[in-house]
Order: sequence, then structure tokens, then C-alpha cells
Amino acid sequence: GAGVSQSPSNKVTEKGKDVELRCDPISGHTALYWYRQSLGQGLEFLIYFQGNSAPDKSGLPSDRFSAERTGGSVSTLTIQRTQQEDSAVYLCASSSGQGTGELFFGEGSRLTVL
Amino acid sequence: GENVEQHPSTLSVQEGDSAVIKCTYSDSASNYFPWYKQELGKRPQLIIDIRSNVGEKKDQRIAVTLNKTAKHFSLHITETQPEDSAVYFCAAGYGGSNYKLTFGKGTLLTVNP
Repeated sequence: GAGVSQSPSNKVTEKGKDVELRCDPISGHTALYWYRQSLGQGLEFLIYFQGNSAPDKSGLPSDRFSAERTGGSVSTLTIQRTQQEDSAVYLCASSSGQGTGELFFGEGSRLTVL
Repeated sequence: GENVEQHPSTLSVQEGDSAVIKCTYSDSASNYFPWYKQELGKRPQLIIDIRSNVGEKKDQRIAVTLNKTAKHFSLHITETQPEDSAVYFCAAGYGGSNYKLTFGKGTLLTVNP
């Protein structure tokens, strides 16, 4: 596609439920990132996939969070047993791997945990 | 890991004035320093970046300076316009073909007409 696509754009869930957020990166981009944006907290790094290398999961806040990237393309971020503090906008980004460094962000998935 | 501090958190200027946003980073291995602009309700977009082998870079009304010794870098916007109003994020990262970026908490810039 023309840009990074994320779904759903909005998700309201009850505390304790599991959620899945999906990211379609720009075709051909080798790197994919997940960031979390909460009010006043900037862009918090969660996880980084680079080509066929093992993902950098150092930013995942707890073991309730996991992510996978299938076939080097689409990625899913899963949050199990959601808590109210998980409410945030989850942003996905991809980059080309050509050394420019530019991240192309999606519109984000706004998660609200009641 | 890398830690990026950004100041100020909010900045209000009159149209035509200059705006300066400052960031510091902790990891001396970082070699790439981009700035992103996020307009209200929109996605962040890259506006300018600088690499560690350069001290300053300009693109029309925006410029970025880097002091590797002091581990700080700054964004300068001259002749501000109302459409410059947005949240600006600095970031620091390391890598080659791709970069792992750590972002600052952002600066809300308001340009008053």
C-alpha cells in the first residue's frame, strides 16, 4: 500500500480482555516498530523487528505484551488481560532499511480499557 | 539503554519569532538524531535529521545543531508561522541500515498570529 496501515483505528475493551492490533507496513520495508503514545509521555518504544534478526523486545512493559511479524511483513501486537493503564495510542512504523533512518508512521490504534 | 530528555514541554511564540527546542541524550553510541512533527490528530512525520559526523544542518526555516561532546542537540525554527503549531519530538538512535530510536516526551509549540 501507499503507507503504513493500522487496524483497528479505535478499540474499546473491558479490563481483563485480550486485544490484537494489526500493522501493515510499507511494502518492501525491512524494519517495523511499535511505539505507545500516552498523554504527556511522548513516544514510548515497545518492540523493533529488523529483517530476519531476532526482534528487540526491550521496551515491552510486561509479559502481557507480545508481538509477532509474519513473513517479514504484517505485524500483530497482542495485549493479554488488558489493564486501564494500557489505554493509549499504539503507533506502528516501518523503515526501508536503506540507511535513511526515516520512520513512516501509521495513524495509530487508540485503545481504551474500561 | 538510551535516555532522551526534551525541553521545554510547551512553548508559545508570536508569529515571526524564533523557536528553539533542546534535547539531551545519554548513550554516546547514538549516531542519528531526527526530529518529528506531529500535528493534532495526525501521525508523526520526519522534518529534519542529523548524523553524528555533522554539527549543523539547515532546511529553509528549520535547522538542527548537534554537540556530541555535550550530548545535546537542538531544533531551531525561524520566522515561525501558525502552521508550525504542533508537537515536536526529538529522537536519538544508533544503527546502520535501520535505527532503533528513543524519543523525547515532546514539545507542544503554539505560534500565535
